[in-house]
Amino acid sequence: AQSVTQPDIHITVSEGASLELRCNYSYGATPYLFWYVQSPGQGLQLLLKYFSGDTLVQGIKGFEAEFKRSQSSFNLRKPSVHWSDAAEYFCAVTMEYGNKLVFGAGTILRVKS
Amino acid sequence: DVKVTQSSRYLVKRTGEKVFLECVQDMDHENMFWYRQDPGLGLRLIYFSYDVKMKEKGDIPEGYSVSREKKERFSLILESASTNQTSMYLCASLEGLNTEAFFGQGTRLTVV
Repeated sequence: AQSVTQPDIHITVSEGASLELRCNYSYGATPYLFWYVQSPGQGLQLLLKYFSGDTLVQGIKGFEAEFKRSQSSFNLRKPSVHWSDAAEYFCAVTMEYGNKLVFGAGTILRVKS
Repeated sequence: DVKVTQSSRYLVKRTGEKVFLECVQDMDHENMFWYRQDPGLGLRLIYFSYDVKMKEKGDIPEGYSVSREKKERFSLILESASTNQTSMYLCASLEGLNTEAFFGQGTRLTVV
């Protein structure tokens, strides 16, 4: 069955430090991959998406993600974290058949000053 | 702007009640989804629909049913609410698999 794994439940980084959030998926064919962010009390906002082509994709707020087919991964990165990035981040996958959109369990990012 | 509207932000219901959560989207999207969000568990898919009157079970359909009589409206039904269904419920819609999903603001349901 299709699944998404975010191995880190919580991550704490210092403001200005780099960030990498991990995401692995389980799906045989080419997936459509997304990262969403949810700030406290807010709805989900799309950060970036990958469908095909260049495996390094740029998103909003200075985020980027790299698709690595050999590792079934789609990790989210940011070179310098700001305090306003503190939020919960979700990786999601849709599959070509079945129209399902499946999310990981989320990673809560804390930023310390 | 695409709008996905959930009928209530907060609901409090009693155990055993039948509960309806309504979701309406205004972009003529084919696909609609219901999720519940719980701390540490992320968004878990309850049901989804890819066309009017069509529905598919997600990962946690037990205790829930859905209705999609019109393209723009997707309803989640708790036939007999239980305390373990206390959660945040999120509705989403998307045009196609390679497009962005749009979410409602969520309904926080408390079953007492």
